[in-house]
Amino acid sequence: AQSVTQLGSHVSVSEGALVLLRCNYSSSVPPYLFWYVQYPNQGLQLLLKYTSAATLVKGINGFEAEFKKSETSFHLTKPSAHMSDAAEYFCAVSRGAAGNKLTFGGGTRVLVKP
Amino acid sequence: KAGVTQTPRYLIKTRGQQVTLSCSPISGHRSVSWYQQTPGQGLQFLFEYFSETQRNKGNFPGRFSGRQFSNSRSEMNVSTLELGDSALYLCASSLGGLLAGDSYEQYFGPGTRLTVT
Repeated sequence: AQSVTQLGSHVSVSEGALVLLRCNYSSSVPPYLFWYVQYPNQGLQLLLKYTSAATLVKGINGFEAEFKKSETSFHLTKPSAHMSDAAEYFCAVSRGAAGNKLTFGGGTRVLVKP
Repeated sequence: KAGVTQTPRYLIKTRGQQVTLSCSPISGHRSVSWYQQTPGQGLQFLFEYFSETQRNKGNFPGRFSGRQFSNSRSEMNVSTLELGDSALYLCASSLGGLLAGDSYEQYFGPGTRLTVT
């Protein structure tokens, strides 16, 4: 079975500061990992994905994530927070070739202070 | 390309009724997955359809069912609604291939917010 743990249900950062959202996964097979963002009253938007190519993955809106197999982690970072980054972020894992079922973490809500 | 569309966006139903939600995937996508999002349980996988066949299923009771049509559009049905079925129901589409190198990215629609009273 797969599972995803996101540390911190709420994160508060100042505008211009580093954004770091933590995600740890467990998977019995090589995982496919994703970060999604959800703005209020909207669906999920894909930020970036890891599918066994480069371990450092760059996504949209200046976000990037690094896959660390030894730590079973896939943390999301952005060097400088913008007010528009205020949203909820979800880390997800799938088994790729075994189907498209995504298992999500509990989500981290980001608040950006001016 | 148009994104994933879901109808209706909002729905209010009474306990015991049934409801059908609709999802139109991105053109060319053959896989449609459904997820339930609630404050208490978070995002949970309901089922996935690929080429009109259910390929994966989550841990939901039989009251939750779905189907996919030949044009890849999908519907989800919930019978005998309970208060706990109040949630945002999200549909996601992907190319759906299972071969190495295929894209597994799922693209989500805006969701249908179901309120059961």
